[in-house]
Amino acid sequence: GQQVMQIPQYQHVQEGEDFTTYCNSSTTLSNIQWYKQRPGGHPVFLIQLVKSGEVKKQKRLTFQFGEAKKNSSLHITATQTTDVGTYFCAVTGFQKLVFGTGTRLLVSP
Amino acid sequence: DSGVTQTPKHLITATGQRVTLRCSPRSGDLSVYWYQQSLDQGLQFLIQYYNGEERAKGNILERFSAQQFPDLHSELNLSSLELGDSALYFCASSPRGGDPSDEQFFGPGTRLTVL
Repeated sequence: GQQVMQIPQYQHVQEGEDFTTYCNSSTTLSNIQWYKQRPGGHPVFLIQLVKSGEVKKQKRLTFQFGEAKKNSSLHITATQTTDVGTYFCAVTGFQKLVFGTGTRLLVSP
Repeated sequence: DSGVTQTPKHLITATGQRVTLRCSPRSGDLSVYWYQQSLDQGLQFLIQYYNGEERAKGNILERFSAQQFPDLHSELNLSSLELGDSALYFCASSPRGGDPSDEQFFGPGTRLTVL
């Protein structure tokens, strides 16, 4: 079945440092979504990317879809303690949403 | 608050038992999705209902079943529970035609502990 790998699994940064998580698929994707799950919380939709090479920004967050539509990245500039959580990419495959393995971000003040 | 409600928040039960988890989607949303989140398996899609009909099935065990009622709330039934069924169970809903690529709104989850 569809497999989506995310790297790194875990990252611990100091507040103010940048952070990037990468999502990789073995197959070409029609679209990709990103979700954030705070500790003890539920996944919350952040954004959807559809076009090859697409770049979208939400304040300090920058999302990019690879040219070949097989990978994506989420970059956070100048992390804050409120960015703590697990970031998941999710792709549509076989009539279902397949979530990546997630990257857990810890931010120290 | 996503507008999706799930009950109960926590459930502790014994192996071999049966439980029912309940989900109410956001007002107007026709699609309901069920997910299981465990430490070793991550977030796994179980099943989707759209306007009362089963739309898609994922890695759902035969011991598990679900349904969506005319008022659009959904129930996930887990039977012959095993220790490995301990997990967070999320329900999500989406507003449009039931395409899984639509934005999904997740409920707060039910934490199931099987002892």
